[in-house]
Amino acid sequence: GAGVSQSPRYKVAKRGQDVALRCDPISGHVSLFWYQQALGQGPEFLTYFQNEAQLDKSGLPSDRFFAERPEGSVSTLKIQRTQQEDSAVYLCASSPLRTEKLFFGSGTQLSVL
Amino acid sequence: SQQGEEDPQALSIQEGENATMNCSYKTSINNLQWYRQNSGRGLVHLILIRSNEREKHSGRLRVTLDTSKKSSSLLITASRAADTASYFCATDALEKGNTPLVFGKGTRLSVIA
Repeated sequence: GAGVSQSPRYKVAKRGQDVALRCDPISGHVSLFWYQQALGQGPEFLTYFQNEAQLDKSGLPSDRFFAERPEGSVSTLKIQRTQQEDSAVYLCASSPLRTEKLFFGSGTQLSVL
Repeated sequence: SQQGEEDPQALSIQEGENATMNCSYKTSINNLQWYRQNSGRGLVHLILIRSNEREKHSGRLRVTLDTSKKSSSLLITASRAADTASYFCATDALEKGNTPLVFGKGTRLSVIA
């Protein structure tokens, strides 16, 4: 396929609402990463998958954040009971190998009101 | 998190001038990468330099790496208005196990026509 696809592009949620963000990586890419980027800051690591296995979730800020990649392709980042501090751009990236360059999607901009 | 630090935070130059951005990091690395981000878009990989390399070129880009000082620089020669973007360095730490790619806070480059 083309590149990494993320949906929705924009999401507005009321505080306390649950949201689900989707990432379609480049076909065949083994590694998938989620990053959170606050305004004016660099991306902060959230979690990493190798195929369907979640090998690192050390960056998830709380147990309200959950990610899955059940068939080793599409991934979903779910945020429960959203808070205002969750407002950020959520970036997904994939790579054929963990330590090589990452291919990023355009991100989902989440605004929690 | 072991975020790298870019310097300067913001840089404004005239078209045709060279732009130099610096990155410092904290721990030993496997490789260092530079990414570019246009406003409201995902990150795009520019160049990767491995820990055993000292300099690398790609078109108008020149990257240097000094592992003894734990620092890198990105030089963009003959800048164009289209180079206006944020530039991030990212490091892959040399540690046991899987470590995520860690990004700095970025340098915002403005190239004035």
